[in-house]
Amino acid sequence: SQKIEQNSEALNIQEGKTATLTCNYTNYSPAYLQWYRQDPGRGPVFLLLIRENEKEKRKERLKVTFDTTLKQSLFHITASQPADSATYLCALPSSNTGKLIFGQGTTLQVKP
Amino acid sequence: DTAVSQTPKYLVTQMGNDKSIKCEQNLGHDTMYWYKQDSKKFLKIMFSYNNKELIINETVPNRFSPKSPDKAHLNLHINSLELGDSAVYFCASSQRVSGGGDTQYFGPGTRLTVL
Repeated sequence: SQKIEQNSEALNIQEGKTATLTCNYTNYSPAYLQWYRQDPGRGPVFLLLIRENEKEKRKERLKVTFDTTLKQSLFHITASQPADSATYLCALPSSNTGKLIFGQGTTLQVKP
Repeated sequence: DTAVSQTPKYLVTQMGNDKSIKCEQNLGHDTMYWYKQDSKKFLKIMFSYNNKELIINETVPNRFSPKSPDKAHLNLHINSLELGDSAVYFCASSQRVSGGGDTQYFGPGTRLTVL
């Protein structure tokens, strides 16, 4: 069955450094992948979408890569700030229904 | 203006009771969803409606019954609540069914606690 894995351990980094979060998937080849941000007590908010024919996508300080050979997406936040502290979720479409399947998220803590 | 709203924000109730959660979106989207997020933070889809028609119905106990009176509203009714139903329930919407990569817009969530 399709499986998505994100590092469940929290990622702690110092302000100004680059945060790199990983999303691995198995048993299918999604046409695209999305990243969402979730703050405590709030719903997820869409950040970026990257399609299978795109290697990299950027938006301000955010960069996403999509390696369909490794079955992996990396999510980078450059020049991180304490305000970037949140849980980041990757999501992929199910192969047969198109519904989104979410990873369990990685919590990022940026320390001043 | 709130894009996707849910009521109530918090719901505390006794086992065996019946409760409803309401959701409304003012984005003009065709598709709406209910998700459950458990204590381990997994976000799992429960139901999806497209233009008031049920299109996704995951393996959810039939105590859970969604209802979409129009494409801007999707409500969730839960009968005979159990302890395991305690979770945060999120409503979401997208322009179309998510197969094409449409962004999903989430509501603020309803934290349900069953005692």
